[in-house]
Amino acid sequence: AQSVSQHNHHVILSEAASLELGCNYSYGGTVNLFWYVQYPGQHLQLLLKYFSGDPLVKGIKGFEAEFIKSKFSFNLRKPSVQWSDTAEYFCAVSRYSSASKIIFGSGTRLSIRP
Amino acid sequence: NAGVTQTPKFQVLKTGQSMTLQCAQDMNHEYMSWYRQDPGMGLRLIHYSVGAGITDQGEVPNGYNVSRSTTEDFPLRLLSAAPSQTSVYFCASSYTARQGNTGELFFGEGSRLTVL
Repeated sequence: AQSVSQHNHHVILSEAASLELGCNYSYGGTVNLFWYVQYPGQHLQLLLKYFSGDPLVKGIKGFEAEFIKSKFSFNLRKPSVQWSDTAEYFCAVSRYSSASKIIFGSGTRLSIRP
Repeated sequence: NAGVTQTPKFQVLKTGQSMTLQCAQDMNHEYMSWYRQDPGMGLRLIHYSVGAGITDQGEVPNGYNVSRSTTEDFPLRLLSAAPSQTSVYFCASSYTARQGNTGELFFGEGSRLTVL
């Protein structure tokens, strides 16, 4: 069964700092990878996804993620964070098949100091 | 377009009581799922379904039942509530690969359940 690890539980940054959140998954086959964001008081929404092709994926709000197959990683990056990026970020994985469950990591809470 | 609708938004139960969390979607998604969100644990998959009449267990299925009689509805049943089931529950749906999967899960607003 697939699983996801997010090692950073809480990250605190100042505005304009660069961001990298780690995500590692365990599954030997082909996977689909996702990053979701949950702003305070809201439900989750998709930031970006990787199915195949270019391992560098660009998402909304200036976020990007890089799929490194050899490291089983899908880290999220943003060159310059804003106060409005304060949220909880979740990495998720599903097996590349016609009917597959989607498993989430434990999340990383990002706090941005104005 | 209503999207994914969950009811109720809040519920307080006593230990041993039963209840059903309702979930409906109007996007013709074959894939529907239930997650629970607990602090520090992220979202954990309870049950999921890839179409009417098909359900399967997720990571934490014990204490919960589901059924999928229509494409639109995917209710989650707690037969005998326990304090450990105090959580925020999210229903989520998406297209499957058979439908041309976009990979995006659409979430409901969540249901906050407290079991005393």
